Amino acid sequence: DAKTTQPTSMDCAEGRAANLPCNHSTISGNEYVYWYRQIHSQGPQYIIHGLKNNETNEMASLIITEDRKSSTLILPHATLRDTAVYYCIVRPHAGGTSYGKLTFGQGTILTVHP
Amino acid sequence: DSGVTQTPKHLITATGQRVTLRCSPRSGDLSVYWYQQSLDQGLQFLIQYYNGEERAKGNILERFSAQQFPDLHSELNLSSLELGDSALYFCASSSPGTYNEKLFFGSGTQLSVL
Repeated sequence: DAKTTQPTSMDCAEGRAANLPCNHSTISGNEYVYWYRQIHSQGPQYIIHGLKNNETNEMASLIITEDRKSSTLILPHATLRDTAVYYCIVRPHAGGTSYGKLTFGQGTILTVHP
Repeated sequence: DSGVTQTPKHLITATGQRVTLRCSPRSGDLSVYWYQQSLDQGLQFLIQYYNGEERAKGNILERFSAQQFPDLHSELNLSSLELGDSALYFCASSSPGTYNEKLFFGSGTQLSVL
């Protein structure tokens, strides 16, 4: 799986947008970008994923650059409950009985301040 | 609530002992994954089962073993426990064959080896 690079930590004011960057310069054509987060000692939670088009769901938006070498996760109106470790993961799309395991890096610790 | 159930939530034992962690996947999910999270190693993939068969192996020690039963629940057996085995152990499940293969994580078992 392609390696990702994320900042160790970031801060954000409550109510503002949180923009979390991720570099994945060695991504290959069949690899997707996934974002998960882990709120203090809870199990990781899926946020969003994408291949090359920008994606949006009820939790966040994912912006992937045209060359696919980097992406940004956007939490449009961060709340205190969004304080968590955010993981950017790159892996091939898993379907059928293929191997869907995720390889987690160190992630970005996002702290949302009042 | 992810739908993945892990028991027990906490486990305290002594070095040299053997323990069994249990995981019930979401209804209908055929794949089960086990992860270990320690302070110094982060989230490490251990092993994956699909419909009762081992599919992928990660950094799992020989003292550890797992299995998935016909009813799709899974157990992770840890033997000859050492202090360094103290960690959070997460189980996740997924439903291969769906386009968006997301992993759903349980709330984990906190293992303390004294």
